[in-house]
Amino acid sequence: EIVLTQSPGTLSLSPGERATLSCRASQSVSSYLAWYQQKPGQAPRLLIHDASNRATGIPARFSGSGSGTDFTLTISSLEPEDFAVYYCQQRSNWPLTFGGGTKVEIK
Amino acid sequence: QVQLVESGGGVVQPGGSLRLSCAASGFTFVSYGMHWVRQAPGKGLEWVAFIRYDGSNKNYADSVKGRFTISRDNSKKMMYMQMNSLRAEDTAVYYCAKGGTTSSDYMDVWGKGTTVTVSS
Repeated sequence: EIVLTQSPGTLSLSPGERATLSCRASQSVSSYLAWYQQKPGQAPRLLIHDASNRATGIPARFSGSGSGTDFTLTISSLEPEDFAVYYCQQRSNWPLTFGGGTKVEIK
Repeated sequence: QVQLVESGGGVVQPGGSLRLSCAASGFTFVSYGMHWVRQAPGKGLEWVAFIRYDGSNKNYADSVKGRFTISRDNSKKMMYMQMNSLRAEDTAVYYCAKGGTTSSDYMDVWGKGTTVTVSS
């Protein structure tokens, strides 16, 4: 099973700041990585698939990069609605696995 | 609009069974793979199972293999999860999710979830 490790666990930032979230895989997943956003009491929402492709309707301030074992989700300028938990997920191997999540909180 | 609605959650005793349902609308259900993903209270996401668009292939997490069975009825636009031999650690919100357009192995639409509590 591929283990995804997300860091940091919590990111404390102010609106307007840049957020950089990391996801590291225990073995190469090529570019088969997705990012999701989850707000309290809500279902997750797909942001990025295949490492760098924004899902339909996702604002341009969200971008993804990386390949192999190291991936980054960047939010260029945090909006109030961006404070949430973010998860990465790999589709390179079965079983599909998620990272433990990074919480982006208001500083 | 594209919508997924889960039902069937509830409180069940350890060792018991439950059947979850997922009703799909707003998209061509027969064309997409479907997933179940769960989230234990205060925890992260855990992928549970996947079924191919035509039901010909199914994959399961090791934690549920042999106890859970995923199925679908394309004529009714429904997906199901039969859960047997339930354990306390199966307590979670269970989400139904649609496989992505470019790959079925992402989840691009999610339902609101149904809560399963396994407790005596």
